[in-house]
Amino acid sequence: GENVEQHPSTLSVQEGDSAVIKCTYSDSASNYFPWYKQELGKRPQLIIDIRSNVGEKKDQRIAVTLNKTAKHFSLHITETQPEDSAVYFCAASLAYTNAGKSTFGDGTTLTVKP
Amino acid sequence: DADVTQTPRNRITKTGKRIMLECSQTKGHDRMYWYRQDPGLGLRLIYYSFDVKDINKGEISDGYSVSRQAQAKFSLSLESAIPNQTALYFCATSDPSSGRTEAFFGQGTRLTVV
Repeated sequence: GENVEQHPSTLSVQEGDSAVIKCTYSDSASNYFPWYKQELGKRPQLIIDIRSNVGEKKDQRIAVTLNKTAKHFSLHITETQPEDSAVYFCAASLAYTNAGKSTFGDGTTLTVKP
Repeated sequence: DADVTQTPRNRITKTGKRIMLECSQTKGHDRMYWYRQDPGLGLRLIYYSFDVKDINKGEISDGYSVSRQAQAKFSLSLESAIPNQTALYFCATSDPSSGRTEAFFGQGTRLTVV
């Protein structure tokens, strides 16, 4: 089955700096890669996703890049703010039509220091 | 707003007891999932269901069973709870036909087995 590795497990940055979280996956058939943000005590919520036919996607301060050949994808957050502090999960799925059946990484705890 | 609701939110039970966690949704989604979240281990899929007549095992189904009573209801049972089933449990739904690909999570049920 699919295996998703996520690094780093913890990340601390100064407000205004950029943050990068990296994930690798093992199943070359995976073609949908969502990122979820989970604030303390809250449920995970999608922040951005990318399909395998796209190399990069941006949404304001966040972006995701995908390298299918190397089987890795990354989340980039620019101009970080304290409210970006949360746990971020990457995931991989065989199809965007079945996003709920995803394999998740172990999460990255991001702390943005004011 | 349409939502995914889990009951109970918190539960403490004794080893060997049978317990049921319930999930109901008003999103009208056909696909429902149960995940387990352990500290540092991300989210792992227990069971999933694409419609009322469809039940599938996920990555870690041993020790669990599910029931899809209706399109809107998906229950997770622990037949004989054991301490290593102490975790945060999330129900999720998805519906690719809606045009949105992500999984929508409930608020979570924190289960402690003593």
